[in-house]
Amino acid sequence: EDKVVQSPLSLVVHEGDTVTLNCSYEVTNFRSLLWYKQEKKAPTFLFMLTSSGIEKKSGRLSSILDKKELFSILNITATQTGDSAIYLCAVEEYGNKLVFGAGTILRVKS
Amino acid sequence: SQTIHQWPATLVQPVGSPLSLECTVEGTSNPNLYWYRQAAGRGLQLLFYSVGIGQISSEVPQNLSASRPQDRQFILSSKKLLLSDSGFYLCALTNRGREGYTFGSGTRLTVV
Repeated sequence: EDKVVQSPLSLVVHEGDTVTLNCSYEVTNFRSLLWYKQEKKAPTFLFMLTSSGIEKKSGRLSSILDKKELFSILNITATQTGDSAIYLCAVEEYGNKLVFGAGTILRVKS
Repeated sequence: SQTIHQWPATLVQPVGSPLSLECTVEGTSNPNLYWYRQAAGRGLQLLFYSVGIGQISSEVPQNLSASRPQDRQFILSSKKLLLSDSGFYLCALTNRGREGYTFGSGTRLTVV
């Protein structure tokens, strides 16, 4: 059975801390791995990763994929209260299927 | 830019009542469309996806159904709702060659 496992399930940090969110996966026909940020309603897209070892960056966020060990990490440096959200990892398979993890709830305290 | 319109935003329905959630797309044509459900405290679960008009694939057996009567319209239905149908329903689309998915704003369904 295809599955995506995220850890930790929840995390509380202080502003300025650096956090690392983990995502491991077992899927049949891997195509890409995606990270989303969900605050109140619909998830917003952060990154799409298809190749191992190539870091993607957007401001204070960065992510990397290891296709050999079947995991990805999402780093957030110098966290702000606005980073508080649920971070979702999803794996896209060939055939249009997207399998989501349960998410990591991040709370950044001021 | 492509956008997804979903309505209603919230819905409270009694057990056994019918359901119809609609999702319409603007700014693109021939998208792949998806219905996801997020139960409280869980990740997103794929319910249905469609690669074209009248083409529906079901991922999870249940009392829900989906239809795609037009290229930019995707409908999620039920004849009789169950308590376990409560959750947050998201419509999403992808277009070949674009990164990531575009999500609608979602419908919070509470079955009472």
